[in-house]
Amino acid sequence: SQQGEEDPQALSIQEGENATMNCSYKTSINNLQWYRQNSGRGLVHLILIRSNEREKHSGRLRVTLDTSKKSSSLLITASRAADTASYFCASRGTSYGKLTFGQGTILTVHP
Amino acid sequence: DTEVTQTPKHLVMGMTNKKSLKCEQHMGHRAMYWYKQKAKKPPELMFVYSYEKLSINESVPSRFSPECPNSSLLNLHLHALQPEDSALYLCASSQRAGTENYEQYFGPGTRLTVT
Repeated sequence: SQQGEEDPQALSIQEGENATMNCSYKTSINNLQWYRQNSGRGLVHLILIRSNEREKHSGRLRVTLDTSKKSSSLLITASRAADTASYFCASRGTSYGKLTFGQGTILTVHP
Repeated sequence: DTEVTQTPKHLVMGMTNKKSLKCEQHMGHRAMYWYKQKAKKPPELMFVYSYEKLSINESVPSRFSPECPNSSLLNLHLHALQPEDSALYLCASSQRAGTENYEQYFGPGTRLTVT
């Protein structure tokens, strides 16, 4: 069963706007990761944040982690049409070898 | 080379057929994974191989049979599948399979249709 919940399920914005996606998880984690998936393709790793980190940046991406609330957010700044994709959070817990994926957010960026 | 390759890209098979999906990576990763993904859903873990040994089987039906011939190759043998097994099958790899801070690298997937 999937632990993670993401909201919103779908997000539609205009180019240049910021997009924020939220993720919640249920158990203790070692790290939380964000992946992007273009329609019908494989997933691409975006960023990993460790359980002892609170914020991380990578280019136009900003990820926060609040372990007390068991939640994370992904902010994409100055979005582009090419950012249109599904975004999944994935938590790495204490269970050997497993990433648990959230339900995903479908982001549409209109040119 | 940071690529995971999967063949074939598309596969249509009948319920009595036997087919195989193939996955390959040359990043020196010692953990490899099979996931199943239905439309508009997240990937669901099926199997994990660590150092060429099966370490996790997520209660997958026996009509799916994984094989890891060496550290670079991962196969998924399919036999007597059901229409509900139609999905995107994703292969992934990572440096190790533990709980450490390793990202997973995914292949493009095989789109499987069972008729």
